[in-house]
Amino acid sequence: AQSVTQLDSHVSVSEGTPVLLRCNYSSSYSPSLFWYVQHPNKGLQLLLKYTSAATLVKGINGFEAEFKKSETSFHLTKPSAHMSDAAEYFCVVNKGTSGTYKYIFGTGTRLKVLA
Amino acid sequence: DVKVTQSSRYLVKRTGEKVFLECVQDMDHENMFWYRQDPGLGLRLIYFSYDVKMKEKGDIPEGYSVSREKKERFSLILESASTNQTSMYLCASSLQQNYGYTFGSGTRLTVV
Repeated sequence: AQSVTQLDSHVSVSEGTPVLLRCNYSSSYSPSLFWYVQHPNKGLQLLLKYTSAATLVKGINGFEAEFKKSETSFHLTKPSAHMSDAAEYFCVVNKGTSGTYKYIFGTGTRLKVLA
Repeated sequence: DVKVTQSSRYLVKRTGEKVFLECVQDMDHENMFWYRQDPGLGLRLIYFSYDVKMKEKGDIPEGYSVSREKKERFSLILESASTNQTSMYLCASSLQQNYGYTFGSGTRLTVV
């Protein structure tokens, strides 16, 4: 069965320092993986996605993620945090094979950026 | 810019009321979804629809129904609201499976 685990529920970084949000997945086939961001009282916004093309995926706002099949990981990184990055981040894996539309959401990582 | 619009940002309803949550997308997407979001539980799929008049149950459909009479509109119905349905409800749409979702801003429903 497919699953996704976000290893940290909360992460705090100082402004200008790197961001690492960790995500591990379990899938019996080649997955599609996504990262979404949710700012307070807002809906979720797609940051980036991996769909079996390049393993290093670049997204919006300077974020990127690397798909590592050997480690079953899809960690989200950013070289330098900005105050506006403070939000909740969700790692997502598709639940089924092609033709299904269900996704499994991680429980989220809340990123705090300190001035 | 593509948009998914949820009609209400905040709602307060009484136990036993029938509640309608409306969602409209302007992207001509085939697929639409309703999720609820609760602290510590993440997002859970209630229902989804991949075509007009088509619907499929998600992981937690009990106590909910949906309606999709037009491609752009997907309604979530709480037949008889209960306090355990107090939650943030998120609507999303998608063109194809691996394109990712576009989400609305959410409706925070409180049932008292």
